Amino acid sequence: QVQLVESGGGVVQPGRSLRLSCAASGFTFSHYDIHWVRQAPGKGLEWVGVISYDGSSKFYADSVKGRFTISRDNSRNTLYLQMISLGGEDTAVYRCAKPRSGSNYEAFDYWGQGALVTVSS
Amino acid sequence: SYVLTQSPSVSLAPGQTARFSCGGNNIASESVHWYQQKPGQAPVLVVYDDSARPSGIPERFSGAKAGNTATLTISSVEAGDEADYYCQVWHSSRDLWVFGGGTKLTLL
Repeated sequence: QVQLVESGGGVVQPGRSLRLSCAASGFTFSHYDIHWVRQAPGKGLEWVGVISYDGSSKFYADSVKGRFTISRDNSRNTLYLQMISLGGEDTAVYRCAKPRSGSNYEAFDYWGQGALVTVSS
Repeated sequence: SYVLTQSPSVSLAPGQTARFSCGGNNIASESVHWYQQKPGQAPVLVVYDDSARPSGIPERFSGAKAGNTATLTISSVEAGDEADYYCQVWHSSRDLWVFGGGTKLTLL
């Protein structure tokens, strides 16, 4: 069965960096674009960005562009989210999500349970 | 920026029909997807491509779109339907995904 498991969350000071990972299993990871979506405490869903199946193409939300970088290692079936210059507005649960087909343009049919990132001094 | 507008909350008695609206410019030309999210859980896809239902989602869940407004309908709501519901579209001219603010369904 499809599984997406995030890790690497925690408490980080403002201005510092953090890298999240998303380990995928149960599907052919290298055939799928994969997304990151975040949710601040008590707030709605916010799309963060997406990386193409081969890592050649990436799109980001305006709120994270220039600070967050998505990458992937298809040999390890793992997705990454490198975050720098973190601020309080980045405090959220971060989830990876898989589209129904390989394409970025499809709805997200599987989601991880998420990794909590808390930016606080 | 592109915005999808949803009502903040809906309150109904069990057995009634819930309707969630999602409005946005140019939504008529984009596929709309709907997610259900219960507290502490990951979102679950309940309708995709305006009106298609993933396997395992009850027939009580249906989607439609007219002009720049999409609607998710849940007929005969049950206690287990209490959740937040989000609409989503791919904003093709900006290469980004957008979620609505979500609607909280509460059963009376």
